[in-house]
Amino acid sequence: DIQMTQSPSSLSASVGDRVTITCRASQGISKSLAWFQQKPGKAPKSLINAASTLQSGVPSKFSGSGSGTDFTLTISSLQPEDFATYYCQQYKSYPLTFGGGTKVEIK
Amino acid sequence: EVQLLESGGGLVQPGGSLRLSCAASGFTFSNVDMSWVRQAPGKGLEWLSTISGRDGSAAYADSVRGRFTISRDNSKNTLFLQMSSLRAEDTAVYYCAKTVASDAWGQGTLVTVSS
Repeated sequence: DIQMTQSPSSLSASVGDRVTITCRASQGISKSLAWFQQKPGKAPKSLINAASTLQSGVPSKFSGSGSGTDFTLTISSLQPEDFATYYCQQYKSYPLTFGGGTKVEIK
Repeated sequence: EVQLLESGGGLVQPGGSLRLSCAASGFTFSNVDMSWVRQAPGKGLEWLSTISGRDGSAAYADSVRGRFTISRDNSKNTLFLQMSSLRAEDTAVYYCAKTVASDAWGQGTLVTVSS
């Protein structure tokens, strides 16, 4: 199974900050990686797939990069609505696996 | 607009069974792989199963293989998850998701396994 390790597990940031979340795969997954945002009590929302392709309607302050084993999600200027938990997921092979999540909190 | 609407959750006793449904609209359902993902209270996301849109073949997580069965009715644009031999640790919100990249999610349905 491919293990997905996210870091950090949580972070505190201020409005306007640039935030970077990392996801590392235990083996190469090419660009078969997706990122999601989840707010409390809500379903996850897809932000990015194929490592760097922004989903329709997702603001350009979100960006993704990486290939192989190392990936990043960057929020260029954190806004109040961005405080949430973020997950990565590999879909290169079964079982599909998620990272443990990164909770972004207000400093 | 893509819409996924789960139903069928509820309270069930350990050892019991439940069938979840996911009604899909806004895309050509028959062409698309569909997945079930769950989230236990306060925990992260766990992939359970995916069914191919092309040939109906299925993949399962070890945690549910042999107990859960994924299926689909392309004529009704509906995805199913038949769950049996339910355990307390199956308590979670269950989501259906579109494609292996989970590019759209339903709102979820809560399954509680308790006596």
